[in-house]
Amino acid sequence: DTAVSQTPKYLVTQMGNDKSIKCEQNLGHDTMYWYKQDSKKFLKIMFSYNNKELIINETVPNRFSPKSPDKAHLNLHINSLELGDSAVYFCASSPATSGRDEQFFGPGTRLTVL
Amino acid sequence: SQQGEEDPQALSIQEGENATMNCSYKTSINNLQWYRQNSGRGLVHLILIRSNEREKHSGRLRVTLDTSKKSSSLLITASRAADTASYFCALSQYGGSQGNLIFGKGTKLSVKP
Repeated sequence: DTAVSQTPKYLVTQMGNDKSIKCEQNLGHDTMYWYKQDSKKFLKIMFSYNNKELIINETVPNRFSPKSPDKAHLNLHINSLELGDSAVYFCASSPATSGRDEQFFGPGTRLTVL
Repeated sequence: SQQGEEDPQALSIQEGENATMNCSYKTSINNLQWYRQNSGRGLVHLILIRSNEREKHSGRLRVTLDTSKKSSSLLITASRAADTASYFCALSQYGGSQGNLIFGKGTKLSVKP
């Protein structure tokens, strides 16, 4: 059973489109995250949710909107996609409300904006 | 910058040799974590060392932490071809946003059979 799953695995789209990436964790964790990994492998946090509430919102354009319908899901919706949004997006979760324990990562979604 | 800086950026060794990767940082930390990323995959947590700990072992992995020098090292002993991956250190800071791990840029390890 996959602990943290993301769909789709690959996403190729045109500039200006709106797209969503879904994430689900079956670990019973309280905290979920979205990270962006650029072409140089630099991994940066975008958002963190704890029990469906937004905790972290780093300097991410407001074209990016996370949605957490329940504790096990954290989806990422991106409006008006730009070339610079091309990256690999990782969802992660962690058990503790402190969020300082290990994080469990999904397999990633490779987004290519043409 | 707040992020950890791994050194070296790339490391190539023969199977059976030991691999050492270093991570330096500038801020105070609650803990420091090491993750592995195989090509095209997500990150996998390897080991967490808290700020009041100096050394930790897990199988063939040994992690040290020197808070006075603000540095950590990851040693993989008796390396195998399957250890080929990128290795990242991640900082959990005191007073940082909840769960805000700050990742370094990684060390790319290649183990040749």
